[in-house]
Amino acid sequence: EIVLTQSPGTLSLSPGERATLSCRASQSVRNSYLAWYQHKPGQAPRLLMFVASTRATGIPDRFSGSGSGTDFTLTISRLEPEDSAVYYCHQYGMSPRTFGQGTKVEIK
Amino acid sequence: QVQLQESGPALVKPSETLSLTCSVSGTYITSYYWTWVRQPPGKALEWIGYFYYNGENNYNPSLKSRVTMSADTSQSQLSLRLSSVTAADTAVYYCARDRYGAEGIDVWGQGTMVIVSS
Repeated sequence: EIVLTQSPGTLSLSPGERATLSCRASQSVRNSYLAWYQHKPGQAPRLLMFVASTRATGIPDRFSGSGSGTDFTLTISRLEPEDSAVYYCHQYGMSPRTFGQGTKVEIK
Repeated sequence: QVQLQESGPALVKPSETLSLTCSVSGTYITSYYWTWVRQPPGKALEWIGYFYYNGENNYNPSLKSRVTMSADTSQSQLSLRLSSVTAADTAVYYCARDRYGAEGIDVWGQGTMVIVSS
């Protein structure tokens, strides 16, 4: 199974700053089938990116994704207070599908 | 607008079967694959598996012997059954729509907490 390791565990930044979240896979993710989700307490997880770098419908362009193979990045270019959440990466190129352990983004 | 809502007992006794329902609105069950994911307290998300209404499925090997997923298309409902539960099955359980392709899992329910305890 592919193990996804996210870093850092927690990111504490101010509004307007840039957030860079990393997701490293234990083996290459087939077809770059790597997604990013935003998860706020008590809410449904929200799809941000799929196939590593394609924004989902309605996602603002300050969210961007990049990477291939084993290294992937989610960037939030200008943080806003509503971006406070846990962000998960997820690979769906190989079964069993797996998730990273999450990066918590805190807005100061 | 696609909406998914999980429901079921919040408390299940050890060794019994956990049964959850996911009510689907705004889309057709027959048009997509459907995935279940869970999150134990303080732990990462865990993929349980996916299925298609015709019976095709793919379950996580770690749970495969205990999991059954199905759909009632007339009621627009999905169901998850997990047998012989233990405390390790305590988690928030999510149902989600699965595009089974490049778009992956695109819509999730809010989840329902299930505690396994006597």
